[in-house]
Amino acid sequence: NAGVTQTPKFQVLKTGQSMTLQCAQDMNHEYMSWYRQDPGMGLRLIHYSVGAGITDQGEVPNGYNVSRSTTEDFPLRLLSAAPSQTSVYFCASIGTGRSGANVLTFGAGSRLTVL
Amino acid sequence: DAKTTQPNSMESNEEEPVHLPCNHSTISGTDYIHWYRQLPSQGPEYVIHGLTSNVNNRMASLAIAEDRKSSTLILHRATLRDAAVYYCILRDFNAGGTSYGKLTFGQGTILTVHP
Repeated sequence: NAGVTQTPKFQVLKTGQSMTLQCAQDMNHEYMSWYRQDPGMGLRLIHYSVGAGITDQGEVPNGYNVSRSTTEDFPLRLLSAAPSQTSVYFCASIGTGRSGANVLTFGAGSRLTVL
Repeated sequence: DAKTTQPNSMESNEEEPVHLPCNHSTISGTDYIHWYRQLPSQGPEYVIHGLTSNVNNRMASLAIAEDRKSSTLILHRATLRDAAVYYCILRDFNAGGTSYGKLTFGQGTILTVHP
């Protein structure tokens, strides 16, 4: 199993550009989420989803959109990038079944720089 | 939501035991205590979790106070690879899927291991 896969690992954008951070998991987990981590700070929840077709906002949702059309994929969209969105982004999933129940599995992260 | 308090940093020598404390004085009866750690330049990884009784696994032990207002993560023999940020978080198992959206990672404890 690959676990949680994030792409790209690194990205540089100019202010105002748009892009999508991809997240895929192959564990059939129902819950997926996106966090951002800024230097010296803990992880802050951006958006999360408890299943296909269901999404909700976390602590810092402004400037980001998400959708969940399949169980496997949970992309994070930046419609108009701003320098304040320079951060490391982590995708995570958690299972409510036999495997991975009650445990968050994180991806390796996507480092985004907005100039 | 119940919060956790951890020391900002701790230091240890290699092959010595490490006790990482966490205070959660407002914990509810349905909150699980989870520990994650984040190695440099990686996503967080699950370490251990428990509810009331002490727990052991191949990575660590979790000691939970009788009143559940505090807990301690124990690394029995620290290695250089254990140098990481350790997060103590709470999850309400009664809240079902929506509780996953309320997982809050604070700044954690930075553990430094000296050779």
